[in-house]
Amino acid sequence: AQTVTQSQPEMSVQEAETVTLSCTYDTSESDYYLFWYKQPPSRQMILVIRQEAYKQQNATENRFSVNFQKAAKSFSLKISDSQLGDAAMYFCAYRYLSGGGADGLTFGKGTHLIIQP
Amino acid sequence: EAQVTQNPRYLITVTGKKLTVTCSQNMNHEYMSWYRQDPGLGLRQIYYSMNVEVTDKGDVPEGYKVSRKEKRNFPLILESPSPNQTSLYFCASRGTGNYEQYFGPGTRLTVT
Repeated sequence: AQTVTQSQPEMSVQEAETVTLSCTYDTSESDYYLFWYKQPPSRQMILVIRQEAYKQQNATENRFSVNFQKAAKSFSLKISDSQLGDAAMYFCAYRYLSGGGADGLTFGKGTHLIIQP
Repeated sequence: EAQVTQNPRYLITVTGKKLTVTCSQNMNHEYMSWYRQDPGLGLRQIYYSMNVEVTDKGDVPEGYKVSRKEKRNFPLILESPSPNQTSLYFCASRGTGNYEQYFGPGTRLTVT
């Protein structure tokens, strides 16, 4: 079974600085998706960024980018120019691309990101 | 508007009193899932469904039931709730070939 590990329960960063959230995963699959979700105090789950394992290029969405190291099974999220609205719980998640069988996401335990004004 | 809805959003109940949390999506998605979120544990999948009348267990199915009689609806049933089922519950859906799961707003359940 696949597992997702987020080793930082909490991170703090000054507004406008850059912060990197760590995520490692374990899988025997070769094709899969990786995601970062943001959960603000409203509790809504918001997709921040995704990465397909077959793509070597790291995904980028505005101030959010990932460092995907497939061999190391590492998938970190970098937030540049941190803003107060980035304060939230961040979850790393994995889904494999099987055409059949089980469906759904495997989540890490989350990293609580605090933005200091 | 494409969305996943859940009802109720908040529920306080007592041990042993059967309850149902409804989930509905308007995107004609084949895949639907239920997750529970607990502090320090992240989200864990309870059950999933790949289409009408096709359901299967996730990682933490004990104490829960589901059904998928219609494509749009995927209710979560707790026949005899216990305090350890106090949690935040999310329903999610996705279409075939889509990578993104659409999440409902969550249901906060407290069992006393």
